[in-house]
Amino acid sequence: EPEVTQTPSHQVTQMGQEVILRCVPISNHLYFYWYRQILGQKVEFLVSFYNNEISEKSEIFDDQFSVERPDGSNFTLKIRSTKLEDSAMYFCASKGRQNTEAFFGQGTRLTVV
Amino acid sequence: AQRVTQPEKLLSVFKGAPVELKCNYSYSGSPELFWYVQYSRQRLQLLLRHISRESIKGFTADLNKGETSFHLKKPFAQEEDSAMYYCALTRPGSARQLTFGSGTQLTVLP
Repeated sequence: EPEVTQTPSHQVTQMGQEVILRCVPISNHLYFYWYRQILGQKVEFLVSFYNNEISEKSEIFDDQFSVERPDGSNFTLKIRSTKLEDSAMYFCASKGRQNTEAFFGQGTRLTVV
Repeated sequence: AQRVTQPEKLLSVFKGAPVELKCNYSYSGSPELFWYVQYSRQRLQLLLRHISRESIKGFTADLNKGETSFHLKKPFAQEEDSAMYYCALTRPGSARQLTFGSGTQLTVLP
């Protein structure tokens, strides 16, 4: 069964450094998402991506964040200058059509020290 | 803005007992409601959605628009049901991203 794959599973970075979280969505899916979950809090929407552009983003997704689909398979989330409060689990999701099920990756745990 | 509330962070029941995980939402239009489940060390996966009206693994959920609720129920809990359960909604149109509740950790005791 196809799966959304995220790498790495755990990333530790120093405050102020740039990080790139990688996701390989399910082949043929059209809609892509990033969510994050700070420890003990709810899963929060960050950004959605469709047709090679951002379709919606939340207030959390400020200028420090960017997304890319550089080669038609990977879907990346970049945080330009990490802060301590960026420490969270980051989930990638994809879906095939607008009203279908979203499939989630296993998450990347980002720890900013 | 839409919001999903799951009032119970933790819920414990004995095997064979009925279980109900509560979910209330606020949204002025007609959202689509979901339950996602996350078993230990596994990824979030869809359990059920209100439009399909299915019963998955013995779980059902009925959308009550009057009470703006979408409670998840199972008449006889099993130990393998122990997991984190998230209620979520999407609003029509747009990118249909999910708005999640804070989750309920269900533990089914032997």
